[in-house]
Amino acid sequence: DTGVSQDPRHKITKRGQNVTFRCDPISEHNRLYWYRQTLGQGPEFLTYFQNEAQLEKSRLLSDRFSAERPKGSFSTLEIQRTEQGDSAMYLCASSLRGAGEEKLFFGSGTQLSVL
Amino acid sequence: DQQVKQNSPSLSVQEGRISILNCDYTNSMFDYFLWYKKYPAEGPTFLISISSIKDKNEDGRFTVFLNKSAKHLSLHIVPSQPGDSAVYFCAASGDTDKLIFGTGTRLQVFP
Repeated sequence: DTGVSQDPRHKITKRGQNVTFRCDPISEHNRLYWYRQTLGQGPEFLTYFQNEAQLEKSRLLSDRFSAERPKGSFSTLEIQRTEQGDSAMYLCASSLRGAGEEKLFFGSGTQLSVL
Repeated sequence: DQQVKQNSPSLSVQEGRISILNCDYTNSMFDYFLWYKKYPAEGPTFLISISSIKDKNEDGRFTVFLNKSAKHLSLHIVPSQPGDSAVYFCAASGDTDKLIFGTGTRLQVFP
């Protein structure tokens, strides 16, 4: 079991640039979640997929954010025209729907710093 | 609107003693509750969970208690060990399956 993998671990970018993060879930997991965490706060839900279908998006996810899971395996989260307020830890998690109680397994996150 | 609240940002406990971390929630539709542990620069790690049909779940040194009438749950760690020092997050889910997290409690266990 290789766990949930996220790439890159750290990203520093200038305001206005676009960034893309990748998440590889646990292989047999059909659900994939994106969360964002800022200092002193708990993880905040952004969006989630069941297989390739995006089932829910948070109001936190402005139109500058887009997430995809094209083949129901890995997922990407893109932020366009980054702003300083986008600086945060972006966490990906996966779970197996139908396995009983929903337990999310998290990756180590991508730390984004927007200068 | 913070649906899951952890009102104590930090807790300091001596090694060997009991650590009690508290969590309150407001949404009566929540039916599944979890505790996660987080070390710096790592993602949260699942610790223990409880369904709303139970009032207690135990796993080794960790016990979670649920009081539905008070919309309150707590995590007991006994005996506490220095390796337990981390940030603990309470989380809840209901009909939408996504987890709603509290703001976390930083636990420090000192010798």
